[in-house]
Amino acid sequence: GENVEQHPSTLSVQEGDSAVIKCTYSDSASNYFPWYKQELGKGPQLIIDIRSNVGEKKDQRIAVTLNKTAKHFSLHITETQPEDSAVYFCATSLYALNFGKGTSLLVTP
Amino acid sequence: SAVISQKPSRDICQRGTSLTIQCQVDSQVTMMFWYRQQPGQSLTLIATANQGSEATYESGFVIDKFPISRPNLTFSTLTVSNMSPEDSSIYLCSVAYGPEQYFGPGTRLTVT
Repeated sequence: GENVEQHPSTLSVQEGDSAVIKCTYSDSASNYFPWYKQELGKGPQLIIDIRSNVGEKKDQRIAVTLNKTAKHFSLHITETQPEDSAVYFCATSLYALNFGKGTSLLVTP
Repeated sequence: SAVISQKPSRDICQRGTSLTIQCQVDSQVTMMFWYRQQPGQSLTLIATANQGSEATYESGFVIDKFPISRPNLTFSTLTVSNMSPEDSSIYLCSVAYGPEQYFGPGTRLTVT
């Protein structure tokens, strides 16, 4: 089955800095790559996604890049704010979602 | 997207008992799923809840332990049966619109 590796497991940045989270996957047939943000005590929230025919997608301060040849994709958050502090999960999908282990992001004022 | 609610939001249960978790969606949806998230861990798919037929379970999960009902296109239940402390987790339902999946707030279960 699909194996999704996510790095780093924890990330601490200062407010205003950028944060980058990277994921690699094993199944070249995967064609959908979402990112979820999970705040304490809440369910995961879909924040951005990318399909396999696109290399980059941006939505305000967040962007996702996909390299299908190398089988990796990344989440970029610019101008980080304390409210960006949460656990972020990458996932891949052909039929069902396969999640990475998560990155705990802490943005300090 | 959709508005997804779950009941209960949290519960503390004694080992050997069963708990039924409800998931309600504000619009009709074909694909509904149940996930487990153990403390500090990632999400693991338990099963796909199929309307009008038996749920499809992932490896490591069986119907006797996690029976699922899906009586219509807006509602599903997951029962955690004969609970043990190892069942202490967050249980999440999700719905899919095409490839996009949206999650409910979760049910936080503690088994003592």
